[in-house]
Amino acid sequence: GESVGLHLPTLSVQEGDNSIINCAYSNSASDYFIWYKQESGKGPQFIIDIRSNMDKRQGQRVTVLLNKTVKHLSLQIAATQPGDSAVYFCAETSETSGSRLTFGEGTQLTVNP
Amino acid sequence: AAGVIQSPRHLIKEKRETATLKCYPIPRHDTVYWYQQGPGQDPQFLISFYEKMQSDKGSIPDRFSAQQFSDYHSELNMSSLELGDSALYFCASSFWGRALHFGNGTRLTVT
Repeated sequence: GESVGLHLPTLSVQEGDNSIINCAYSNSASDYFIWYKQESGKGPQFIIDIRSNMDKRQGQRVTVLLNKTVKHLSLQIAATQPGDSAVYFCAETSETSGSRLTFGEGTQLTVNP
Repeated sequence: AAGVIQSPRHLIKEKRETATLKCYPIPRHDTVYWYQQGPGQDPQFLISFYEKMQSDKGSIPDRFSAQQFSDYHSELNMSSLELGDSALYFCASSFWGRALHFGNGTRLTVT
């Protein structure tokens, strides 16, 4: 079936560097994408979202880029901090799936001091 | 700001027992979702409710059922528990199809 997946299961960066976490999706009908951060023992925490009529959206220290041509999504974190260490999931939904989110495989981000 | 509240945080049950998980969504959110997350896995959608009516159903076993009450809280009932049901169970809520906001989950351990 349709799925959302991440390229890399782990990413290790130095504190202060920029991080880029990638995500590929296969459902061409996907029209709403969300990045979540999940810390150990906690639920997924909303970071940023983007709709398919946009290709870039910025938040505080985070930027999401959407390339619909190649069905690729990325999360950029500027000046990565130790508190950014967590598992990051991309998730997608489409009108055909109602409001159900389909999650991709998470990426474990480790920030080294 | 108010968040999604789940109870209990931890639950230990034996095989073949039943369990009930509770969820209190963010006020004024119209949709509640239940997800199951196994160790090292991404969350898997179980079921959702829009305005107290079941709106979507995912990979929820027949042994599980859920409902949303008049005060908008939701309960996930799990019967004939199996070892494989051990997981984190998350509830989430949303408003008007916007981003889901998750609670901190219930960790269910079946022994």
